[in-house]
Amino acid sequence: DGGITQSPKYLFRKEGQNVTLSCEQNLNHDAMYWYRQDPGQGLRLIYYSQIVNDFQKGDIAEGYSVSREKKESFPLTVTSAQKNPTAFYLCASTERGLGYNEQFFGPGTRLTVL
Amino acid sequence: AQKVTQAQTEISVVEKEDVTLDCVYETRDTTYYLFWYKQPPSGELVFLIRRNSFDEQNEISGRYSWNFQKSTSSFNFTITASQVVDSAVYFCALSLGTYKYIFGTGTRLKVLA
Repeated sequence: DGGITQSPKYLFRKEGQNVTLSCEQNLNHDAMYWYRQDPGQGLRLIYYSQIVNDFQKGDIAEGYSVSREKKESFPLTVTSAQKNPTAFYLCASTERGLGYNEQFFGPGTRLTVL
Repeated sequence: AQKVTQAQTEISVVEKEDVTLDCVYETRDTTYYLFWYKQPPSGELVFLIRRNSFDEQNEISGRYSWNFQKSTSSFNFTITASQVVDSAVYFCALSLGTYKYIFGTGTRLKVLA
């Protein structure tokens, strides 16, 4: 079955630690996205990538970093510079990064900073 | 600037009632795309429908229907004869055909048995 996998489902981090969230897709999609979801808010774009080895900052990129070394993978690192990292993180992909395709989403990772 | 407003934060209905979720969007572009997604308690957003700005035809899919009105910049979603399984957060989103998708804040629908 084609889809997007995210791991882990739940993640706990101590303050000052970096953590990496995994996102893998087997849909052969070019574009991949990371969103952050906070209670009562919509999805806010952290980073997106339209092609391998290229990625762009979204609206709230500060304190986050990404890489896109393979088409299938788009890991997100939450660094210690992110002041309020506790949130639900969603990875998504589209066939092309052109906005007229629907996005496919992973199941999400819930990050809690202790 | 582009914006999507879902003014209804939470709606509760009794099973078998009809319910309409409102979505109002703002854009000056003439070409754009509108989407609805469902987020069940499991967390994963599920795509429901896409509509482009040149197609104002309403659409029905089973118990789901969508009313797109450019004159009022609205893309409302109606569930007929709601069921408990419809309980979820529903998001409306706007795209201008670039990489960016703008999401509303979502409407939490609770269907009570």
